[in-house]
Amino acid sequence: DAGVTQSPTHLIKTRGQQVTLRCSPKSGHDTVSWYQQALGQGPQFIFQYYEEEERQRGNFPDRFSGHQFPNYSSELNVNALLLGDSALYLCASSPPKNTGELFFGEGSRLTVL
Amino acid sequence: DQQVKQNSPSLSVQEGRISILNCDYTNSMFDYFLWYKKYPAEGPTFLISISSIKDKNEDGRFTVFLNKSAKHLSLHIVPSQPGDSAVYFCAASDRWDDKIIFGKGTRLHILP
Repeated sequence: DAGVTQSPTHLIKTRGQQVTLRCSPKSGHDTVSWYQQALGQGPQFIFQYYEEEERQRGNFPDRFSGHQFPNYSSELNVNALLLGDSALYLCASSPPKNTGELFFGEGSRLTVL
Repeated sequence: DQQVKQNSPSLSVQEGRISILNCDYTNSMFDYFLWYKKYPAEGPTFLISISSIKDKNEDGRFTVFLNKSAKHLSLHIVPSQPGDSAVYFCAASDRWDDKIIFGKGTRLHILP
């Protein structure tokens, strides 16, 4: 049973570019959350998707957007990249009747030059 | 504004002894608390949780204590083992299906 998978694992972009990160949730999970983890910090909540809709959003600008597909997979898009967007982006999934536990992928490490 | 605070960036403990990791929170609406463990190059993995109706939850070597009046929780690991060396994140949410807010983490080193 595959867990949460994310792609790409590493990528390098330059300021002003756009990036798309992808996530496949654990089998049987219907909710996907995205987190940004900067160096030396804890994961910060970006947004959560359920039934193809953004259900909750953290304190991130509109440059950060997302999408959830009918198969529950999800994308995170970041436009007009800034140096400060360099971070590990973590996707987490949770099942129906969630007990509060999130299942995380290994993350996508984004470097903005 | 940090709603979940882990004030010790790192902690070193002798193998076999007790490890105690502490966490404070400021949001009185938090009702559900979790601990996650993270190894390098891996995503965080769930360790143990506690709801606000309890003051203690135990799972094998791991016990979480909650003091709601002090807005404080702690994770006890007894006995500490080398494989426990990792970064531990304290996290909290308003309810079980709400967004989860993480602290900055504490790096635990288990010394041989």
